[in-house]
This record gives sequence, structure tokens and C-alpha cells, in this order.
Amino acid sequence: DAGVTQSPTHLIKTRGQQVTLRCSPKSGHDTVSWYQQALGQGPQFIFQYYEEEERQRGNFPDRFSGHQFPNYSSELNVNALLLGDSALYLCASRYRDFYGYTFGSGTRLTVV
Amino acid sequence: GIQVEQSPPDLILQEGANSTLRCNFSDSVNNLQWFHQNPWGQLINLFYIPSGTKQNGRLSATTVATERYSLLYISSSQTTDSGVYFCAVGNAGKSTFGDGTTLTVKP
Repeated sequence: DAGVTQSPTHLIKTRGQQVTLRCSPKSGHDTVSWYQQALGQGPQFIFQYYEEEERQRGNFPDRFSGHQFPNYSSELNVNALLLGDSALYLCASRYRDFYGYTFGSGTRLTVV
Repeated sequence: GIQVEQSPPDLILQEGANSTLRCNFSDSVNNLQWFHQNPWGQLINLFYIPSGTKQNGRLSATTVATERYSLLYISSSQTTDSGVYFCAVGNAGKSTFGDGTTLTVKP
């Protein structure tokens, strides 16, 4: 049973560029959340998607946007990249509001 | 929003020792998880425990929801237990993470 799959695993972008990160949830899960983890800190909630709608959003600027597809997979888009956007981006999935989240291995984004 | 405090921030043990990690949170929650983050960044779910007590091998956890804290116990620690342990709490949707406890187990 495949867990949460994220791609790519590593990415280097230039300041001002745009990036798209992808996530396939665990089989049977329909809710996807995205987190940003800076070095030495705990993950910070970006937003959550359920039924293709953004259901909750954390304290992140509009440069961060997302999408959920009918097959429950999700994308995180970041526009106008800043050096401070360098971080590990984690995707997590679960079934509705039941039980806990399963996390992917993350995408490590470096902005130069 | 909900505040989460984990203690201690750092813990160094000899192999075979026992330890207790604590997570305090500022508001009532219906979701609480303990994770172990490995050196490659993967968050491994240890327990989903919004209340009560659970055990899994050498690990156990207790959450006292009415007093807004949770404890993670590690017995007979091994070097492979090293890493960062996170507590994450929340309600429908958002989970808020603490800053973690960095555990180092020395052989």
C-alpha cells in the first residue's frame, strides 16, 4: 500500500521564479494538507484541501496557492520565490477528519 | 491559535535508558499525534492519541486532554531512536506542531 508520494524530492530555483510541487495521497485518503518546515523548526501549516476546495489556510501570503484534483492528488504552487522560501515542503493526507495524518518524505526546495 | 510547547528541547541518553517527552497545548483539541522525524526528513507517525493511553513496543503515550498535555515514553532506548520528536495538535483541519525534542542516544 503506497503511502504519501511527493515529487520532486529536491529542487533548486532562482529568486523570482515559480515552482510547483506535487503530492499523491495515501490510498483511501481524501484530505490533503501542506506544511513548510524551515531548518531547525517544526512544520508550519500552509493550507488544507478537501473535495477540491481549500478548507483552511495558515498564515502564508497569496504567493502560495494550491489545487486538489478529482483523484485527490494535490499541487502546491509558489510564485515570485524569495530566499526565505527555502525549506522542506511536506504533504500530509488522511481520510476526512478521522484519525491522524500520514506524511510524505517531502520536497526540499532551495532558492538561490 | 493553539500554542504547543514541547520539553525538553534537547535530550542526551545512554543506550538502554528510559525517557519521557512532554507536550503542553493551550486549548482543547480533538487531534493529537506524536511523530519521529528521521535524518532524511520523513515524519513517522508514532501515535494518534487525542486522549487515553497507547503502547507500541518500547514506546507508549498518554494524553490527558482535560489538563492539556501529552507524554511520550521511550523505554530501553536504542541508537536508532535518535532524531527529532514532534507533537502536533489541532481540530478539524489544521495541525499545529511544537518545536520538537531532539533526542540523541549514545552507544
